[in-house]
Amino acid sequence: NAGVMQNPRHLVRRRGQEARLRCSPMKGHSHVYWYRQLPEEGLKFMVYLQKENIIDESGMPKERFSAEFPKEGPSILRIQQVVRGDSAAYFCASSPPRTGANVLTFGAGSRLTVL
Amino acid sequence: AQTVTQSQPEMSVQEAETVTLSCTYDTSESNYYLFWYKQPPSRQMILVIRQEAYKQQNATENRFSVNFQKAAKSFSLKISDSQLGDTAMYFCAFMKQGTDKLIFGTGTRLQVFP
Repeated sequence: NAGVMQNPRHLVRRRGQEARLRCSPMKGHSHVYWYRQLPEEGLKFMVYLQKENIIDESGMPKERFSAEFPKEGPSILRIQQVVRGDSAAYFCASSPPRTGANVLTFGAGSRLTVL
Repeated sequence: AQTVTQSQPEMSVQEAETVTLSCTYDTSESNYYLFWYKQPPSRQMILVIRQEAYKQQNATENRFSVNFQKAAKSFSLKISDSQLGDTAMYFCAFMKQGTDKLIFGTGTRLQVFP
């Protein structure tokens, strides 16, 4: 069981470029969560997805950020026209189909640096 | 809205000693779950321990135990016989029952020295 796989581990972008972060959940997990960790801070919830559905995007910035979890393939967190304030570690977590009281399994994170 | 507060930005402890990390939270919910996660320098988030709010008995996992005081909304983590590998950031987190959304505190950086 490979766990939650995130790539790339490190991504460098210039201001105005696009960043795409990928997350493959654990085998058997159908729920995916994205969290952002700014330097010296805790993780902040961004979005919760199930296959082909966004369930809760209350933590997602209204502009430039989007997320998807297609029927086939990994979940993608997309940041358009990146700015320096987007520099952070982005963590993906997954959980089994049953909702509630699950222990989330986290990936190792993707660190985005915006120059 | 729920909030989680960790008032100790940094702590240090000598190897083999015991250390307690504090966490308080604010919620109007009666059913929820509390967690401690460890984040070593590798940045991987690792679950340390989990507590169901409806259980009065404090959770334990080997050298890790919690002191859960529901009325006081306090959830501290005790690490016994500290080891160098315990050096990490420790995050307290809250999860409302019926969801899988975690709300994290700002973390406590623990340094274990020889």
